[in-house]
Amino acid sequence: DAGVIQSPRHEVTEMGQEVTLRCKPISGHNSLFWYRQTMMRGLELLIYFNNNVPIDDSGMPEDRFSAKMPNASFSTLKIQPSEPRDSAVYFCASRGHGRANEKLFFGSGTQLSVL
Amino acid sequence: GQQLNQSPQSMFIQEGEDVSMNCTSSSIFNTWLWYKQDPGEGPVLLIALYKAGELTSNGRLTAQFGITRKDSFLNISASIPSDVGIYFCAGQLKSGYALNFGKGTSLLVTP
Repeated sequence: DAGVIQSPRHEVTEMGQEVTLRCKPISGHNSLFWYRQTMMRGLELLIYFNNNVPIDDSGMPEDRFSAKMPNASFSTLKIQPSEPRDSAVYFCASRGHGRANEKLFFGSGTQLSVL
Repeated sequence: GQQLNQSPQSMFIQEGEDVSMNCTSSSIFNTWLWYKQDPGEGPVLLIALYKAGELTSNGRLTAQFGITRKDSFLNISASIPSDVGIYFCAGQLKSGYALNFGKGTSLLVTP
């Protein structure tokens, strides 16, 4: 059973460039989450979707960040234009519904470096 | 999100020792979870707790959902080198809500 799949694993780009991170959640899961991890701030929730609909995007730092979930098996997180302070590890996670399915499963992350 | 205070921030122990870490919050949580993160990987779920007072084990790991519902504890018995990593607590206010994570406890185990 495949887990949450993220791509790319590593991304190095120059300031000002557009960055797109991709995520494929676990099949059958109806909630998808984007987190950002840094040494200073730990794991921060950026946005999450239920049934492909954005529920809470209050964690999205600025208008430069946007996320979409066009269908149940795919989501993107886009940063445009990127800045050096966006450098972090970005995780996608998914879970099923119901009390017994509150467990969140993470992908391996995308390590983003903006020079 | 809700603030979770996790302690200690780091631990440096010898193989065979027991480990305890905890997480507290000013808010009442519906669910507590504990994750472990290895370098270069995403966090992996260790234990999930759903009821106040619940005590659950997973091998050498034991976690408890505090009676007040504002805290949780994780114990690791007889630590081994592969226990090295960062351990995160996570709490959920209500079913369907996103998880709030602690800042993590970094564990180092020397042979």
